Amino acid sequence: SQTIHQWPATLVQPVGSPLSLECTVEGTSNPNLYWYRQAAGRGLQLLFYSVGIGQISSEVPQNLSASRPQDRQFILSSKKLLLSDSGFYLCAWTGQGVMTEAFFGQGTRLTVV
Amino acid sequence: DQQVKQNSPSLSVQEGRISILNCDYTNSMFDYFLWYKKYPAEGPTFLISISSIKDKNEDGRFTVFLNKSAKHLSLHIVPSQPGDSAVYFCAARDWSRQLTFGSGTQLTVLP
Repeated sequence: SQTIHQWPATLVQPVGSPLSLECTVEGTSNPNLYWYRQAAGRGLQLLFYSVGIGQISSEVPQNLSASRPQDRQFILSSKKLLLSDSGFYLCAWTGQGVMTEAFFGQGTRLTVV
Repeated sequence: DQQVKQNSPSLSVQEGRISILNCDYTNSMFDYFLWYKKYPAEGPTFLISISSIKDKNEDGRFTVFLNKSAKHLSLHIVPSQPGDSAVYFCAARDWSRQLTFGSGTQLTVLP
């Protein structure tokens, strides 16, 4: 069966520090991978998605970047965190079929102080 | 420009009664719709979906209705249970397979 792992679960970082959140998927190959953010009181905002190794599309301009060094690994990064980067970050994957749902990781609660 | 809207941020329902969560969309290119349930500090979990060629899909206590002409879908939970208390997100997919989410509705089922 397929599983998705996301870590760490919680993170407190000072303003200006770097960020690296990692997500890995097991039990499937060539997944579509996504990073979402849920800010307080808001819905899920798509940040990045990837349809293959090295292929990253960004949905919104921001202080973050994403990379996909391996087929089932997706990394969210920042060189210098801002206070506004605080939020709940979620990694998700979908299969290649037309009507497949997205499966989410457990999320990372990031607090920038 | 919100393409998927959940206009009710919260809903309270008595245990055993029906919960109806609503969702409206504006993009006529959406062809697949999903509902997710989310507990605090956890990732959303898939609940139920419906293709645009259908108007109803049922799975146990959960039924999703789609009204394409009104660009409206709803999730019915019958009977509601306290464990159903969570945030419910409506999502829609277009040809690119990206999901566009609504802002969520906090459902509270009162015992």
